[in-house]
Amino acid sequence: AQSVTQLDSHVSVSEGTPVLLRCNYSSSYSPSLFWYVQHPNKGLQLLLKYTSAATLVKGINGFEAEFKKSETSFHLTKPSAHMSDAAEYFCVVRGVNTGRRALTFGSGTRLQVQP
Amino acid sequence: NAGVTQTPKFQVLKTGQSMTLQCAQDMNHNSMYWYRQDPGMGLRLIYYSASEGTTDKGEVPNGYNVSRLNKREFSLRLESAAPSQTSVYFCASSEALLGAGGADTQYFGPGTRLTVL
Repeated sequence: AQSVTQLDSHVSVSEGTPVLLRCNYSSSYSPSLFWYVQHPNKGLQLLLKYTSAATLVKGINGFEAEFKKSETSFHLTKPSAHMSDAAEYFCVVRGVNTGRRALTFGSGTRLQVQP
Repeated sequence: NAGVTQTPKFQVLKTGQSMTLQCAQDMNHNSMYWYRQDPGMGLRLIYYSASEGTTDKGEVPNGYNVSRLNKREFSLRLESAAPSQTSVYFCASSEALLGAGGADTQYFGPGTRLTVL
């Protein structure tokens, strides 16, 4: 079985300050991990994914995430928040050996960016 | 490329009515999925189709049926809508064939916002 826990339901930062969105996962096998972003009333867009290559993954719009197996974490970071980053972010896991294409989603973290 | 498209964007139903949500992708993907999104929760898988001609239940299939009409299209049907099915529905697609690795990316449509009164 696999699961993912997003540790904060809501994060508020000031524009220009760093962003940290936390995610812990549980998976019986080596997981694939993803971060998706959802802007209001929009579909989901892939930010980045981890596929057992480099542990530090760079994504779009300056976001990156580090896979830490010992901590079962995959936190999303950005050095400097922009107003356009305000959105809901989902951490997603899929076990490699599940034989299914399905993803398991976290409950989401809403990022608010203050001017 | 339009990517993944969904129709309609919004729908209001009365309890007991039926309707079909349409999804199409133009990326020649093999796998397609239906999810629902409820407040305070992530997306939950309703049904998926690993390839044309096959469908399988996901996490929350009760009250729904699906049809993989061809490689491009994957529809979701509510036979007798209930208020508990009020949600936002997302269709997604991915390239992977059955048995492929777990890292293939799913691409999502814009969603259908359904209200059942």
